[in-house]
Amino acid sequence: GAVVSQHPSRVICKSGTSVKIECRSLDFQATTMFWYRQFPKKSLMLMATSNEGSKATYEQGVEKDKFLINHASLTLSTLTVTSAHPEDSSFYICSARDPFRVLGYTFGSGTRLTVV
Amino acid sequence: DAKTTQPTSMDCAEGRAANLPCNHSTISGNEYVYWYRQIHSQGPQYIIHGLKNNETNEMASLIITEDRKSSTLILPHATLRDTAVYYCIVRGNPYSGGGADGLTFGKGTHLIIQP
Repeated sequence: GAVVSQHPSRVICKSGTSVKIECRSLDFQATTMFWYRQFPKKSLMLMATSNEGSKATYEQGVEKDKFLINHASLTLSTLTVTSAHPEDSSFYICSARDPFRVLGYTFGSGTRLTVV
Repeated sequence: DAKTTQPTSMDCAEGRAANLPCNHSTISGNEYVYWYRQIHSQGPQYIIHGLKNNETNEMASLIITEDRKSSTLILPHATLRDTAVYYCIVRGNPYSGGGADGLTFGKGTHLIIQP
């Protein structure tokens, strides 16, 4: 149980375009999902907390207009990287917590974004 | 969340027990110790968590010292597929809203299982 599906696993886009990444909780409802970014050989950094039916909460230094988060249902959160630039190339990972289980947080498999 | 300290890297022979230490001397009474691992280019995977008692599941054992200032994750029979970065995270009570915030990851321990 507690499976989180993330798509796509890998995407290459041109500079200036936008990319959408989906995060779904498959067997539970997640009122809260989290988005992380990981640069090569670095640890995961929390970008934002996605709340179902309300605005996301962004960590300091993360541009909310550049990283648009939508959490329209209890099983889906999306992260859109707008006007992507090469420096946005990174590994993006989502996470969700089933409020009725105590197995910690479940993570998606990640999305490797390359902006060329 | 309390800060944790882990060795940067460790080696372990395949088939042997891998013991990964973690110091969390500032842990508070209601904080749990979580362990996750991240295999290269994948999302983190939950391993185990505990409060003060030792815990064991199908993946690993978690030994927490009596003063709770440190813990050890034990992989009893390490395989090559256990090569990963292991993260020790201290977090609030998961039963009472401790999941409102995301996890804070440190640098973790890069465990390399040698054939």
